[in-house]
Amino acid sequence: DADVTQTPRNRITKTGKRIMLECSQTKGHDRMYWYRQDPGLGLRLIYYSFDVKDINKGEISDGYSVSRQAQAKFSLSLESAIPNQTALYFCATSDAGQPQHFGDGTRLSIL
Amino acid sequence: EDKVVQSPLSLVVHEGDTVTLNCSYEVTNFRSLLWYKQEKKAPTFLFMLTSSGIEKKSGRLSSILDKKELFSILNITATQTGDSAIYLCAVSQPDTGNQFYFGTGTSLTVIP
Repeated sequence: DADVTQTPRNRITKTGKRIMLECSQTKGHDRMYWYRQDPGLGLRLIYYSFDVKDINKGEISDGYSVSRQAQAKFSLSLESAIPNQTALYFCATSDAGQPQHFGDGTRLSIL
Repeated sequence: EDKVVQSPLSLVVHEGDTVTLNCSYEVTNFRSLLWYKQEKKAPTFLFMLTSSGIEKKSGRLSSILDKKELFSILNITATQTGDSAIYLCAVSQPDTGNQFYFGTGTSLTVIP
């Protein structure tokens, strides 16, 4: 089983729909992150959480929200999806000062 | 503004060639520099570098950091088709604010 699991793996939806991407981990890490990856732009941080009661905006948080339901679960929501949110989304986890471990990604297409 | 710049953006080589990938950075606070390999799915961790001049090595891959000149290189010798991937460089900061900054990556293609 994967240490960092993202669901769904692929999603196609329409503009204006609410979407939730979920991430769960079995690594026991306190820190969890959501990134999006676009061609030519690399990985950009959306939100991050250092523990269950800690939520922080990353560099591109507009249009997104997150929920840290438990140490092992961190979900990303798009309240009203728009086409420029089409991207590959990654969840990652880490311990303080240690490399991040990534999920396999969710490919999201918004029509 | 903090940033991480990788070069070249893409590279095509033949099996057996040696390649050098570059990563330069400008961050306010620096803790470590990390290299990841991304094939079709998740980026996977290669190296974490914290000290200048100390080479990290794993098989045909090696990496070194220069904290004075603010850059790192990733070398791959005797390349194989399985080395084809995007190589990502990231810089981590101490525990305040955004902890990791990623470069845009270098896309490496190894031709048989």
